[in-house]
Formats: sequence, structure tokens, C-alpha cells
Amino acid sequence: DGGITQSPKYLFRKEGQNVTLSCEQNLNHDAMYWYRQDPGQGLRLIYYSQIVNDFQKGDIAEGYSVSREKKESFPLTVTSAQKNPTAFYLCASSAGINTEAFFGQGTRLTVV
Amino acid sequence: KQEVTQIPAALSVPEGENLVLNCSFTDSAIYNLQWFRQDPGKGLTSLLLIQSSQREQTSGRLNASLDKSSGRSTLYIAASQPGDSATYLCAVWGGGTSYGKLTFGQGTILTVHP
Repeated sequence: DGGITQSPKYLFRKEGQNVTLSCEQNLNHDAMYWYRQDPGQGLRLIYYSQIVNDFQKGDIAEGYSVSREKKESFPLTVTSAQKNPTAFYLCASSAGINTEAFFGQGTRLTVV
Repeated sequence: KQEVTQIPAALSVPEGENLVLNCSFTDSAIYNLQWFRQDPGKGLTSLLLIQSSQREQTSGRLNASLDKSSGRSTLYIAASQPGDSATYLCAVWGGGTSYGKLTFGQGTILTVHP
């Protein structure tokens, strides 16, 4: 099946911990994106990568980090510096810049 | 900075009704516009992509139009069904300082009741 796989579906984090969310795609897409979704706020862009070994900050990058060592993978680390990490995180990919985006099923992160 | 607004925030209609969802954006220098559907607790499903050079795009009972100069798009759903109940999101692929970014509106929550 071609698509975007996010794991885990649910994740619980203790205060002060770093956690990493996985995003894998087998669509051979060059571009990948991470969004955060909060109730009533829509989707906000955290980081994006247009090509392997390169990425840019989005609108709310503080407290997050990413890597893009392989074309098919774009993991997101939520660090302890992110003060309000509880949210629904969505990963997306597109063939190139400004082309149709496709999304994974999301990871719901909760701070306990 | 690009801003996207969707009206109405919520809509409830009886089955079989035709309906229109509205999307507006502040910077007309866009490349493409994309409509998505999101079911509760799920990811986004792409419905339609309209390129900036196009006026409209159709897929089944869905028809999306784009007026780039006025910064507006509409999603028309014909003969609505209960299975159409979901949140519909509009997003624009920006130019200028928003190049390469997909900026979202807050969505319209649609409920179609039998």
C-alpha cells in the first residue's frame, strides 16, 4: 500500500522528556511536512523539508527538531523546551514544492 | 503573511441538499489551492487540487472554484449525504515569503442529517 505511515498513533510523555514521532512515506515524494493541530486553531506548520538533508522552520518551530537523512523518513522530536506539547501531530508529503499534499493518520501526543 | 479564512465555521443540512463552503485568502500570489476532508480523530484526505491557472476542478459530486484575483474559493457539494459529514479544510500553497508552505483555514464542520 502506498502512503504515509505515522507511528505511534497515541503517545504519552512525562514532563521534561523528549519524544520522537515517526513519519515514513513510500510515495517517492521529495517534500515532507510536520503540522500541529489544536482544537479551534487549525493546522500550523512546524517544519518542512523540500529535499533530503535540508529542512526549514515553519511558523511554530520552537521546542521541536527534525532530521531528513533519508527521502522516505522525516522524524519529529518534541523536546522538553516545548511548553505545551499536547496536540494532534500530522505528517504530510508532496511530490514537489506546491504540488498535491497527502497526509498520514496522525499521532496524538499527551503530556501526563 | 498569508491568512486563510473559512465560512461558515459549522453547517448543518438535511440529506439531499446542495451546499457551498467558502474559503478566502489574503495574499493572491498563490500557486495552488487544495481542499481536504478530515473525519474525527483522523488524518486529512485530499479532495481536490486547483492550480492557480484553473478556474474550477470537479471530482464526482464535488466542484471547487478559484478566483485568484479576489482571493476566494468555493467548494460545492451536490446532493449531500450523511457520509459527507466531516470537517472540510481549505489550504493554499503560497508564493513570496510563503513559498513552499501550505497554509490552512480553520475548517468548516459539516453535518448532514438523514
